[in-house]
Amino acid sequence: AQSVTQLGSHVSVSEGALVLLRCNYSSSVPPYLFWYVQYPNQGLQLLLKYTSAATLVKGINGFEAEFKKSETSFHLTKPSAHMSDAAEYFCAVMTQGGSEKLVFGKGTKLTVNP
Amino acid sequence: GAGVSQTPSNKVTEKGKYVELRCDPISGHTALYWYRQSLGQGPEFLIYFQGTGAADDSGLPNDRFFAVRPEGSVSTLKIQRTERGDSAVYLCASSAIRGRSDTQYFGPGTRLTVL
Repeated sequence: AQSVTQLGSHVSVSEGALVLLRCNYSSSVPPYLFWYVQYPNQGLQLLLKYTSAATLVKGINGFEAEFKKSETSFHLTKPSAHMSDAAEYFCAVMTQGGSEKLVFGKGTKLTVNP
Repeated sequence: GAGVSQTPSNKVTEKGKYVELRCDPISGHTALYWYRQSLGQGPEFLIYFQGTGAADDSGLPNDRFFAVRPEGSVSTLKIQRTERGDSAVYLCASSAIRGRSDTQYFGPGTRLTVL
């Protein structure tokens, strides 16, 4: 069964600092991987996705993530945090060739301090 | 164009009652998904439709939960004999075509509270 582990339920950074949100997956076959962001009282919005093309994926709002098969990781980064990045971030996995359901991690709440 | 919409945005009911939650997907999207998000957790898959048929209902927790999509557009999630443990935000998503990496676009959710 596939699963996702997000290390750190809360991450706090200063404005302008590097953002690093960790995601590790478990899947018996090569997966598709996604990062979603959820702002307060809003729906989930896709930031980026990995679909077996380039291992470094660039998304919206300056975020990017790198698929590392050897580490079964798909960490999300942004070089310089902005106050507007404060939100909850979810990593999700979908098995290639299997059901189209997304399996989500528990989420990481990002706080950006001025 | 319009995104995924869900009604009602909030629903408060009493234990044992029946509820229906509605999802209007993005126009033309053939796939529709239901997820449930409990407090402090990530969304949990319930069921997804390809057209009118349920392609995977493995996430429905028990037979009190049922979903339909009779015309391949709007979907209704139905919960019978609600329990306090059913309290959660119910999310709906849709995607354009049957492609496993297609983006799922989420609605704002329905917050269900069972008293």
